[in-house]
Amino acid sequence: DAKTTQPNSMESNEEEPVHLPCNHSTISGTDYIHWYRQLPSQGPEYVIHGLTSNVNNRMASLAIAEDRKSSTLILHRATLRDAAVYYCILARVYGGATNKLIFGTGTLLAVQP
Amino acid sequence: GAVVSQHPSWVICKSGTSVKIECRSLDFQATTMFWYRQFPKQSLMLMATSNEGSKATYEQGVEKDKFLINHASLTLSTLTVTSAHPEDSSFYICSAWLAGAGGETQYFGPGTRLLVL
Repeated sequence: DAKTTQPNSMESNEEEPVHLPCNHSTISGTDYIHWYRQLPSQGPEYVIHGLTSNVNNRMASLAIAEDRKSSTLILHRATLRDAAVYYCILARVYGGATNKLIFGTGTLLAVQP
Repeated sequence: GAVVSQHPSWVICKSGTSVKIECRSLDFQATTMFWYRQFPKQSLMLMATSNEGSKATYEQGVEKDKFLINHASLTLSTLTVTSAHPEDSSFYICSAWLAGAGGETQYFGPGTRLLVL
């Protein structure tokens, strides 16, 4: 399974944008880039995913480098409720079905009021 | 979005007893579900892949006789921790894939916290 590298922790101020980086230099052509976040004592929550093009949804934006070896999750205006561990994960598709997710250590995002 | 539930949300048991945890996909069918375990301040560790109507696939180092998985229907998978010991105390989380227009998304249950005394 291809590996991702994320900073252990980041800090942000409330109401400001947050850019969470992820490196995945060994990504293959069929790997989707997934982002999940986990609040304390809860199961992970889906944030966003993409393959090649940048993606936007109501939670966040995902910017994918042209060579796909890195990506950035963008929270446009951080709130205190966005404080969580953010996981960047590569999910490989085999025969039309997506493979298991292997979690790394993620980035612990702290949001200051 | 899709909802995955787990029951119970927490359980305390004596050492040597068995504990069953249920994972249900409430509004979609899941031929494949996944079971994770998470220790305090650590990341999620994939334990096994649960396949409806067939045997589960366990990750390396996970004892299949200790962690029994049954995926009897398209909406229910169960994890039974047999002869639980204090070192099995952990946060157990299940998940399932749901196909959508932009590919598949994995939805997670809220987790079950197990404390073995």
